[in-house]
Amino acid sequence: KAGVTQTPRYLIKTRGQQVTLSCSPISGHRSVSWYQQTPGQGLQFLFEYFSETQRNKGNFPGRFSGRQFSNSRSEMNVSTLELGDSALYLCASSSGQIVGNTIYFGEGSWLTVV
Amino acid sequence: AQTVTQSQPEMSVQEAETVTLSCTYDTSESDYYLFWYKQPPSRQMILVIRQEAYKQQNATENRFSVNFQKAAKSFSLKISDSQLGDAAMYFCAYRSAGLNSGGSNYKLTFGKGTLLTVNP
Repeated sequence: KAGVTQTPRYLIKTRGQQVTLSCSPISGHRSVSWYQQTPGQGLQFLFEYFSETQRNKGNFPGRFSGRQFSNSRSEMNVSTLELGDSALYLCASSSGQIVGNTIYFGEGSWLTVV
Repeated sequence: AQTVTQSQPEMSVQEAETVTLSCTYDTSESDYYLFWYKQPPSRQMILVIRQEAYKQQNATENRFSVNFQKAAKSFSLKISDSQLGDAAMYFCAYRSAGLNSGGSNYKLTFGKGTLLTVNP
């Protein structure tokens, strides 16, 4: 069974540009969540989607957005990139139907903003 | 809001010995889950062990066990017979379980992490 797949793995963007990151959850999983990891702030929750509906959102500016498609694949978008957006973005999936279900993580997308 | 605190930024242990990583959390909820995740240099988060708050018995997974003290809001991880492959960043995480948690049961709240070094 394939794990959580994130693309691209590494990317470099310029300030002011926008970026889209993609996440394919484990087959059968309907919940996808996103986290930002930085040395200063640690791991912070961005948002979570279940069956194309956002169920919870973290404390991030509106430049950060996401969506989920009918096949459970998810994308997150960051517009008007800032240097501080440089981070590892982790996607995670679970079945989403029972709160206690294990959450599985992908290997992340490394974003560098220059 | 819930908070998770890991007071040990770094720890080291000799191969084959035992090490305990500390975690405390703050919550007003009675129903929740606690987790330890391991993040090796590949940066993929790997679940090590989980504990349901309603269970009094401490969780155990092979060489990994926890000491869950609900009243003290403490959740430490013990690694026995440490191996070189255990070297990684370890994160303690909290997840609400209640139906009326305002959507917070769909997210994990992480501590800052403890970097574990295993010396041969």
